[in-house]
Amino acid sequence: EAGVAQSPRYKIIEKRQSVAFWCNPISGHATLYWYQQILGQGPKLLIQFQNNGVVDDSQLPKDRFSAERLKGVDSTLKIQPAKLEDSAVYLCASSSGPGQGNTEAFFGQGTRLTVV
Amino acid sequence: GENVEQHPSTLSVQEGDSAVIKCTYSDSASNYFPWYKQELGKGPQLIIDIRSNVGEKKDQRIAVTLNKTAKHFSLHITETQPEDSAVYFCAATLVGSARQLTFGSGTQLTVLP
Repeated sequence: EAGVAQSPRYKIIEKRQSVAFWCNPISGHATLYWYQQILGQGPKLLIQFQNNGVVDDSQLPKDRFSAERLKGVDSTLKIQPAKLEDSAVYLCASSSGPGQGNTEAFFGQGTRLTVV
Repeated sequence: GENVEQHPSTLSVQEGDSAVIKCTYSDSASNYFPWYKQELGKGPQLIIDIRSNVGEKKDQRIAVTLNKTAKHFSLHITETQPEDSAVYFCAATLVGSARQLTFGSGTQLTVLP
């Protein structure tokens, strides 16, 4: 089966610009996650969707980050305006069931964002 | 909330030797502990996991042990091969809750030929 698809793979922007990342989860997976992975650290959850509803966005910086999952399939994560500290790899993951640990989460390759 | 500490941050071993990576967690309620392998330019991939009702789990050359009393768990890789070189992450969560996976900071494993 096809894996989690993300685009773009790399993005370089200047601070205060906006950027958007796209994720296509594994077909049929109801749960979708966006993680931020800063260099040298483990992934940190930004937002979790169950179908097209938000389950957890407690660590999403809502003043600059937004995410949506229309029709419960694809998702986009947006940053506006970007700051230097947003430089990181943004990982999308999906799983067939709710809750982490109930079913395996499959990760995409990520989008490496560099803010200069 | 949960806090997961992982050691060492880097580990070099000779091919054929064993490698051990250790993690400690803070929340005694956590009951699910997965390990992920992340190769360069790729997303993390689940390699093995353990639930709190068992103390050890093996899958070919990899094994995970869990000490609930001490709140630590370890990844053991035997007969290491160059393709084992990657960053390994431990994580912890409470299954069935709304809690997210909390990841450790990662261990860069290098297997020297």
